[in-house]
Amino acid sequence: GAGVSQSPSNKVTEKGKDVELRCDPISGHTALYWYRQRLGQGLEFLIYFQGNSAPDKSGLPSDRFSAERTGESVSTLTIQRTQQEDSAVYLCASGRDRGEKLFFGSGTQLSVL
Amino acid sequence: QQPVQSPQAVILREGEDAVINCSSSKALYSVHWYRQKHGEAPVFLMILLKGGEQKGHEKISASFNEKKQQSSLYLTASQLSYSGTYFCGTEIDWEYGNKLVFGAGTILRVKS
Repeated sequence: GAGVSQSPSNKVTEKGKDVELRCDPISGHTALYWYRQRLGQGLEFLIYFQGNSAPDKSGLPSDRFSAERTGESVSTLTIQRTQQEDSAVYLCASGRDRGEKLFFGSGTQLSVL
Repeated sequence: QQPVQSPQAVILREGEDAVINCSSSKALYSVHWYRQKHGEAPVFLMILLKGGEQKGHEKISASFNEKKQQSSLYLTASQLSYSGTYFCGTEIDWEYGNKLVFGAGTILRVKS
């Protein structure tokens, strides 16, 4: 595709429910990131996929968070048993390789009631 | 590992200049600069790589001091469109992993 695509754009869920967020990176991009951005805050690193290497999961805040990537394509971020503090915009970004610019998706606005 | 940005916020009048700084305690492979406008995704401005290579917009200038692990973004003759939050991101120079981690951001507001 022309850019990084994320779905859904908005998700409202009840506390305790599981949610799945999807990211379609730009074709051919080996690097894929997930970041979390709370209202008025910075970009909090969550997880990094680079080609076929083991992902860097060091930013995942708890074991309720997990992410997968199929080869060099789609990635899903799953949050189990959502809490109100999970409310944020979740941004996905992809890049051609190390040291290359990142292209960001428009994000998924997650609201946990 | 998160880089430190300064200042936290700056207000300018159109035409004035500004400098945003970014520093890290680790040896760096690259420094990235992005701008985010309210309600939008961050947009790429520039990359500065270890060894001196730079990639980015012609109208944006930045520096990277590899010895001090510091980078600065120079905004000259500011325009209203420059308003937004500027983030620096750093990739640590490590063979086994180099995730891009961002600083807390610098809010820039340009007034007419």
